Amino acid sequence: DTGVSQNPRHKITKRGQNVTFRCDPISEHNRLYWYRQTLGQGPEFLTYFQNEAQLEKSRLLSDRFSAERPKGSFSTLEIQRTEQGDSAMYLCASSLVGRGDEQFFGPGTRLTVL
Amino acid sequence: DAKTTQPPSMDCAEGRAANLPCNHSTISGNEYVYWYRQIHSQGPQYIIHGLKNNETNEMASLIITEDRKSSTLILPHATLRDTAVYYCIVRVRGNAGNMLTFGGGTRLMVKP
Repeated sequence: DTGVSQNPRHKITKRGQNVTFRCDPISEHNRLYWYRQTLGQGPEFLTYFQNEAQLEKSRLLSDRFSAERPKGSFSTLEIQRTEQGDSAMYLCASSLVGRGDEQFFGPGTRLTVL
Repeated sequence: DAKTTQPPSMDCAEGRAANLPCNHSTISGNEYVYWYRQIHSQGPQYIIHGLKNNETNEMASLIITEDRKSSTLILPHATLRDTAVYYCIVRVRGNAGNMLTFGGGTRLMVKP
């Protein structure tokens, strides 16, 4: 399968713990996006990378959140000192600038903070 | 990005055409209309996009009015697997485009 993959698919953690999610984009895609989706709402943009550069961050991305894409391929999203309000689906998408920038999404990582 | 307005929910009989409307009266000349859908517990799936001409692919057809202030996504023969939330998004395409801004979408229920 050559689509966007995300790991883990589900994560349950206790409040105050740190968690890290991974996203592997479609191989030739140079843009990578992170979104968050809470129950009953549409996805909300968090941040995006073009190659290894993080070009934009949403106000939703608090200081406890950090994202990296060190080699311009896979990306990680880390949440430190998790809070119950962080419980959500975290979605990753990738796109290829120069071919319209249509975004293709992965299956998401569902985070539950107890 | 321009704001879109969609009905919160719609029903469609299996095998019939599903016509999902979207209003985007403040769309700019360089903004495209995109449609995504999200089946329960999955990531959003790209369906189709267009600028001003009608578009068709293997999944759906997109009809954009001449003034570009509204559009309709058509699923010609809806199946139970088309039950999903459908999002209409307008955005600049290409190098200047970045994040997608999702609204509430339309929850389409295809019934047997």
